[in-house]
Amino acid sequence: GQQLNQSPQSMFIQEGEDVSMNCTSSSIFNTWLWYKQDPGEGPVLLIALYKAGELTSNGRLTAQFGITRKDSFLNISASIPSDVGIYFCAGPPRYMDSNYQLIWGAGTKLIIKP
Amino acid sequence: DAGVTQSPTHLIKTRGQQVTLRCSPISGHKSVSWYQQVLGQGPQFIFQYYEKEERGRGNFPDRFSARQFPNYSSELNVNALLLGDSALYLCASRSFWGASYNEQFFGPGTRLTVL
Repeated sequence: GQQLNQSPQSMFIQEGEDVSMNCTSSSIFNTWLWYKQDPGEGPVLLIALYKAGELTSNGRLTAQFGITRKDSFLNISASIPSDVGIYFCAGPPRYMDSNYQLIWGAGTKLIIKP
Repeated sequence: DAGVTQSPTHLIKTRGQQVTLRCSPISGHKSVSWYQQVLGQGPQFIFQYYEKEERGRGNFPDRFSARQFPNYSSELNVNALLLGDSALYLCASRSFWGASYNEQFFGPGTRLTVL
């Protein structure tokens, strides 16, 4: 099935470093969602974006809805050990009849170096 | 309040068998969606049910079917299992049809292994 292009696939970072990841699509999206999934659990919504150009923060996390509506970015500042996990972007593309049928990226795995 | 619950947690089946996965949404939630998450990939949408009616279907073969009961719980059935059906099956519940994504919550999933 179709997926969003998410990069990087994985990141090794030092505690305290800032993290950036992005998500792109060939289709226009009206909504961009960022989720985090921990092992053995379902995804948890971190940030939802509804407007092109929108910049939204949730604690140390900041996400942006790209102007072209075909991309989105997630930044994590001053990473801590509990940030470890897999981050997914998702959204309902405009061409879908139902806006509840989300399309997902393959995820960015965040690993903190010991 | 309890979150979304799914059963069983893990399941091992052999090719050709049939499997039924269960989901109990958050109390008061009327919409349930099912997703398949193959290892190393993001979830793929399978079905959405609202008020016991199918409201959406992803690109999956007819071997996949689902239903929603009067108490809003849901079952996902997969017939004639293939090795490629091995995945984490996620259930998500949402309070009502127009609810925002902030009001959609995922269960922990059922890990299905097909041998």
